[in-house]
Amino acid sequence: AAGVIQSPRHLIKEKRETATLKCYPIPRHDTVYWYQQGPGQDPQFLISFYEKMQSDKGSIPDRFSAQQFSDYHSELNMSSLELGDSALYFCASSLGRTRHGYTFGSGTRLTVV
Amino acid sequence: KNQVEQSPQSLIILEGKNCTLQCNYTVSPFSNLRWYKQDTGRGPVSLTIMTFSENTKSNGRYTATLDADTKQSSLHITASQLSDSASYICVVTGDDKIIFGKGTRLHILP
Repeated sequence: AAGVIQSPRHLIKEKRETATLKCYPIPRHDTVYWYQQGPGQDPQFLISFYEKMQSDKGSIPDRFSAQQFSDYHSELNMSSLELGDSALYFCASSLGRTRHGYTFGSGTRLTVV
Repeated sequence: KNQVEQSPQSLIILEGKNCTLQCNYTVSPFSNLRWYKQDTGRGPVSLTIMTFSENTKSNGRYTATLDADTKQSSLHITASQLSDSASYICVVTGDDKIIFGKGTRLHILP
């Protein structure tokens, strides 16, 4: 069965650079959620989209932005990267606001040096 | 306040032994409860999902229980294997929110 696909799997960036992470939800899923998980930390909710519109916003820094496209994939854009942005970023997708079929991707490991 | 509390915080057992992880929640209204396994550096992988009317669900060596009255869930792992070493996260969905527990870090020793 198709899963949530994230790319790239690993990314190394320097401070002050930008990064774009991509998330491809399970086919027919219309809701995407982004999370940030620092080393040894709990996942922190960043932002979610339902039907290409932002549906909820968590602790996403102003330096980050995200959007969901017409094919329901989502991109997380991160600018002016800081060392503290080094983390595992994973997304999840579901069908509708009821979180049916809520499934996580394997994540993107971002390292800022 | 919507909260999900997991215990123990960490657990070390020998390979082949059984163990039980606990999850207590105060999320209301309640929609469903999921147990995830998260290997280091990877996204969480779903083990079980339970709704209000379900009180037991199994997935191989994993068996989850749910008591919606006491708002408690457990995840029982039978005949543990080295590959079970991971974090186990309880996630409760309620209303329009998804609440994560802090997870139990399980270490399986040979």
